[in-house]
Order: sequence, then C-alpha cells, then structure tokens
Amino acid sequence: AQKVTQAQTEISVVEKEDVTLDCVYETRDTTYYLFWYKQPPSGELVFLIRRNSFDEQNEISGRYSWNFQKSTSSFNFTITASQVVDSAVYFCALSEVLQGAQKLVFGQGTRLTINP
Amino acid sequence: DTAVSQTPKYLVTQMGNDKSIKCEQNLGHDTMYWYKQDSKKFLKIMFSYNNKELIINETVPNRFSPKSPDKAHLNLHINSLELGDSAVYFCASSTGLANTGELFFGEGSRLTVL
Repeated sequence: AQKVTQAQTEISVVEKEDVTLDCVYETRDTTYYLFWYKQPPSGELVFLIRRNSFDEQNEISGRYSWNFQKSTSSFNFTITASQVVDSAVYFCALSEVLQGAQKLVFGQGTRLTINP
Repeated sequence: DTAVSQTPKYLVTQMGNDKSIKCEQNLGHDTMYWYKQDSKKFLKIMFSYNNKELIINETVPNRFSPKSPDKAHLNLHINSLELGDSAVYFCASSTGLANTGELFFGEGSRLTVL
C-alpha cells in the first residue's frame, strides 16, 4: 500500500531562516506522482507542486524549492528566507490509481510556524 | 469566481441528526471527491465520482451517502450523525479518471456534532 511519512510534526523558525520539510514515501508503482499542498490558518488547501516519478530534476519557484530523490524515496521541500506568511500546515501527498481512479494519499502534515 | 465551492462552511448539529453538504465545481472536471480531515489534520479520501459514477468508496460507514446529480455536483449526506463525524470535509475535483493532475479543493465544511 502507498504510504507518505512526514516525520516532522511541527517546526518553528525565526523569519528569514531557511527551512526544509521532509517527505518520505512508499510505493510499488514505477510511475507515480508526488504533490505538496499548503494549508494556511484560513483552512483551504493550496496546491504547490506536482512531480512525476520520471522527472528527478529539482524545481525552484521563487523562495520555494523541491528536492526529489528517487533513490531515497524522498521529496523534500525547502523554503528560503522564510516569511511569517509561510506559516501553515504543509502536506506531502502521493497519487495512487485505485480502480481506475486517482486518489491522493497524504502525509500527516508538518505545521510550520515562522516567528517574526 | 470560486472554482470548487462547498456549502455550508460551518455546520453545528446534535448527535442523531441528518445533514447534507453540497459541492459544486465550475472547472468542467469529470472527477470529484470527498476528503475528510480529522482533528489531527489527517486527510483521507472518502469517495470519488467520475461522470456521476461512484468509483472509490474507502470503507466509509453507509451512514454517509454521496450523490452526484451531474458531473459538476457532488453532495454528501450523513445520517444519524455521531460525535466522531466531527471533522472538516473537503470537496475536490480533477480533470479525469486516473488523471494524475492536481486536485482542486473547496474551502472545506467544518462539521461539529454535539
């Protein structure tokens, strides 16, 4: 069965520090997709990135970057020069195709607090 | 224009009551979902529909009955509410069956059972 582990339950840093959120996944599929979602205090789920298993290039989007390492089954997320607005719960997720339909298997989430 | 909208956003009710949450998407997607987020923030799929057909039912008690009148709507009806049903329920949609694109989520409906 698919599984996603976010071992860091909570992280607290001071503004402008860099912070990395870890994500480790388990799957038997050779083709799969990984996602990161952000859930700010207002509660909605905001899509951040999707990465397929054949694309191991790291991705950078502004202050956000993602490191996909297939060899260690990890898909870590780094925020550079963190800001208070980055405070949120971040979820890593793995896409599983079940009965012909996609479902996302989510990690437990990491609550990130950026202190001013 | 909200892409995936859910109503109501907040619902407070007594044990044993029946309640419904409605979801509509205007993205033209074929597939819709219900996810449940518990008090520990854990997110788990409940149901998936594709073009009004139930595809995934993740061992959810049969007190929960989803209904999809058309592919733009997926409603969730819950009978005989229990304390453990208190959670945030998220509706989502995506472009198609087995498509592995992103899921677009609604803002969530917070259900509190007293």
